[in-house]
Amino acid sequence: NAGVTQTPKFQVLKTGQSMTLQCAQDMNHEYMSWYRQDPGMGLRLIHYSVGAGITDQGEVPNGYNVSRSTTEDFPLRLLSAAPSQTSVYFCASSAGSPVNYGYTFGSGTRLTVV
Amino acid sequence: GQSLEQPSEVTAVEGAIVQINCTYQTSGFYGLSWYQQHDGGAPTFLSYNALDGLEETGRFSSFLSRSDSYGYLLLQELQMKDSASYFCAPRTRQLTFGSGTQLTVLP
Repeated sequence: NAGVTQTPKFQVLKTGQSMTLQCAQDMNHEYMSWYRQDPGMGLRLIHYSVGAGITDQGEVPNGYNVSRSTTEDFPLRLLSAAPSQTSVYFCASSAGSPVNYGYTFGSGTRLTVV
Repeated sequence: GQSLEQPSEVTAVEGAIVQINCTYQTSGFYGLSWYQQHDGGAPTFLSYNALDGLEETGRFSSFLSRSDSYGYLLLQELQMKDSASYFCAPRTRQLTFGSGTQLTVLP
């Protein structure tokens, strides 16, 4: 099993550009989430999904869109990049079972907006 | 809304025991998770308490008291490689994190 795969690992964007960060998991997990982490800070929830076709906003959703058309994939779209979106982005997934609520994280995408 | 409190920094020496406390306020609470993150790396899952009491996994133990909205992570026989950030994360329909505790283990 590959676990949670994020692409790309690094990206530089110009202000105003749009792009999609990809996230895929092969563990048949129901729950998927996107987080951003700024230097020296904790992880802030952007958007999350509790199953295919279901998405909801987290703490910091502005400037980002998500969709969940399949169980495996949960892409994050930056609509018009801004320097404030420079951050490390983590995708994570979890089973829905009450006995196994640990999230598995991808290795992250390091995004710089100039 | 949700609130989380954990110490920002803890320092201990190799071989010692350290306890990282976490108090939380949230609705729709399922349980309390703990994650470890080394500099530049992804968070890794350490433990999850759905019920009150102590869960032990090797050198790490985690405790939950639902009535007190309180939990802690206990790290025993500290090693240099335990230097990292530790996050408590209440599990509801989503998973949200606090600012984390930076643990430094000294030789």
